[in-house]
Amino acid sequence: DARVTQTPRDKVTEMGQEVTMRCQPILGHNTVFWYRQTMMQGLELLAYFRNRAPLDDSGMPKDRFSAEMPDATLATLKIQPSEPRDSAVYFCASGLVPGIQDNYGYTFGSGTRLTVV
Amino acid sequence: GQNIDQPTEMTATEGAIVQINCTYQTSGFNGLFWYQQHAGEAPTFLSYNVLDGLEEKGRFSSFLSRSKGYSYLLLKELQMKDSASYLCAVRRTGGFKTIFGAGTRLFVKA
Repeated sequence: DARVTQTPRDKVTEMGQEVTMRCQPILGHNTVFWYRQTMMQGLELLAYFRNRAPLDDSGMPKDRFSAEMPDATLATLKIQPSEPRDSAVYFCASGLVPGIQDNYGYTFGSGTRLTVV
Repeated sequence: GQNIDQPTEMTATEGAIVQINCTYQTSGFNGLFWYQQHAGEAPTFLSYNVLDGLEEKGRFSSFLSRSKGYSYLLLKELQMKDSASYLCAVRRTGGFKTIFGAGTRLFVKA
């Protein structure tokens, strides 16, 4: 089964430190999303890419978050400096949009559970 | 912008049928997804609707009315393993931005 791979699975860091999360989308998928999930806010869209081009990052705090896709096999989400309120599960999802693949939806990675202390 | 509403929680009995509703407001509708998410796990895809009507997949069906901005997910023959959160997501045209609702937590009791 094709899968989206996210690393690390868990990350505990101190406030002020830089955090980098990585995502390997499914080969051939042209759209990659970054979502953040907390109990209070649910799944929030942070940023997404189409054919590696950033389309919308309006959901990200610009001063500390950055998202890039240096090549088709890697998407990164960076937080610098991290704060306790950034504690959440960060999910990457990929899909082939648009087309018949819509019947399969987007595939989510297992997520990175970030704790900032 | 987009606005998606779902009930926060629902409880149903094993073997029964449950309907989870989702209403949305968006400009440039390009499809609606339903996802299932068990506690501590990633969301998994259940269904996709872009045209009005009912899509059936085994015990799960999803319905869409674009004119009403309304969808529902129907779960039949409920099993204990169906206890999970069910997330409704709406995709927009022009970039395919996809936003999720807050989700409905379903509790299936014996």
